[in-house]
Amino acid sequence: DAKTTQPPSMDCAEGRAANLPCNHSTISGNEYVYWYRQIHSQGPQYIIHGLKNNETNEMASLIITEDRKSSTLILPHATLRDTAVYYCIVRWDQGGSEKLVFGKGTKLTVNP
Amino acid sequence: GAVVSQHPSRVICKSGTSVKIECRSLDFQATTMFWYRQFPKQSLMLMATSNEGSKATYEQGVEKDKFLINHASLTLSTLTVTSAHPEDSSFYICSATAGREQFFGPGTRLTVL
Repeated sequence: DAKTTQPPSMDCAEGRAANLPCNHSTISGNEYVYWYRQIHSQGPQYIIHGLKNNETNEMASLIITEDRKSSTLILPHATLRDTAVYYCIVRWDQGGSEKLVFGKGTKLTVNP
Repeated sequence: GAVVSQHPSRVICKSGTSVKIECRSLDFQATTMFWYRQFPKQSLMLMATSNEGSKATYEQGVEKDKFLINHASLTLSTLTVTSAHPEDSSFYICSATAGREQFFGPGTRLTVL
């Protein structure tokens, strides 16, 4: 079972920041938070991951609370192409061999 | 990022036939590949974990004799849906690990008539 809770859907205006929350209150100390997204009828795409520090890359920023029980994925300037289902996944990082368990994710709709 | 391909991208077959789906890591070697299935408006469900040179590990409820997985090389894993039925119609997605990351293929849409 997925260890995360996400809102089923969110809307965002094009050009504005999209902030997607995720609760993972049962996360353990050696588990990472991963974010993937899936555009309709495509395979999931890796976005970002982190352990306890905030992370930023060319796609997004990941803010993890100090107690690590929740996190927020931030798309700073959402575009129409960011419309997708976003999955927050908690995973024990064993060098890539650990499986990913997908929850229901958040369907983000970016509106013009 | 690393590229994973799947072939075919979509397939339509008659009930009772077998269908093979290929998953290839194009620019890296993957010791571990994963196979997922996704029904309409649902999330991805892991079917099995495939390790090169050994038998696949199936998730609970997935019939290993119906969904045959072969991981014969570090760049290729195949999923064969045997004696396919309409309820097997789904979106099948593979992923391959490169370092700490999993990279996903574009998926294969299977329709069983």
